[in-house]
Amino acid sequence: NAGVTQTPKFRILKIGQSMTLQCAQDMNHNYMYWYRQDPGMGLKLIYYSVGAGITDKGEVPNGYNVSRSTTEDFPLRLELAAPSQTSVYFCASSHRPGQGIRTEAFFGQGTRLTVV
Amino acid sequence: AQSVTQLGSHVSVSEGALVLLRCNYSSSVPPYLFWYVQYPNQGLQLLLKYTSAATLVKGINGFEAEFKKSETSFHLTKPSAHMSDAAEYFCAVLPQGGSEKLVFGKGTKLTVNP
Repeated sequence: NAGVTQTPKFRILKIGQSMTLQCAQDMNHNYMYWYRQDPGMGLKLIYYSVGAGITDKGEVPNGYNVSRSTTEDFPLRLELAAPSQTSVYFCASSHRPGQGIRTEAFFGQGTRLTVV
Repeated sequence: AQSVTQLGSHVSVSEGALVLLRCNYSSSVPPYLFWYVQYPNQGLQLLLKYTSAATLVKGINGFEAEFKKSETSFHLTKPSAHMSDAAEYFCAVLPQGGSEKLVFGKGTKLTVNP
């Protein structure tokens, strides 16, 4: 049981390049999240999903896109990388096992992205 | 919109002293509340969570937090700090109904002095 797996761990992009950050979970969780973490700013929610085929914007969605074709995978796409997207990105998942019951969010180890 | 405020971006305590990290939320209905810890260059690890059962919640590593509805607070405490507690701590809030947005505070960096 691997939990939440993010790839790659590190990446350097040039301005204008594109890339996809991968996130996969093997816990059959319905809810998945993408955050970015910048020093002193905490975690900002980029996008989230409540199930396969359903996604919604978070606090800072501009410059990013997501899809959720399966329960397990929730990739984050950067189409035209900008220096402002230099950050550490975290993926997380959680579950609602019953009415009124909610698990905590389980986090991946993060992807450190630098745009130069 | 729901939000969470952590008072104090940096807190410094001596080893053996009380740790108090503050978290206030804004929500018309008591939400789910979480405290996470992050050690340098690592992901986030759950310390404890409030899910509308007991208002005093005990977590790992000797931490606990008390949910106070009247004060919309969920402060984290530990009676005696250890050097190994030095880390960044995040409070997070999730509505119990409606939006599924899990929102985090800006974090509090805890320093423990020998």
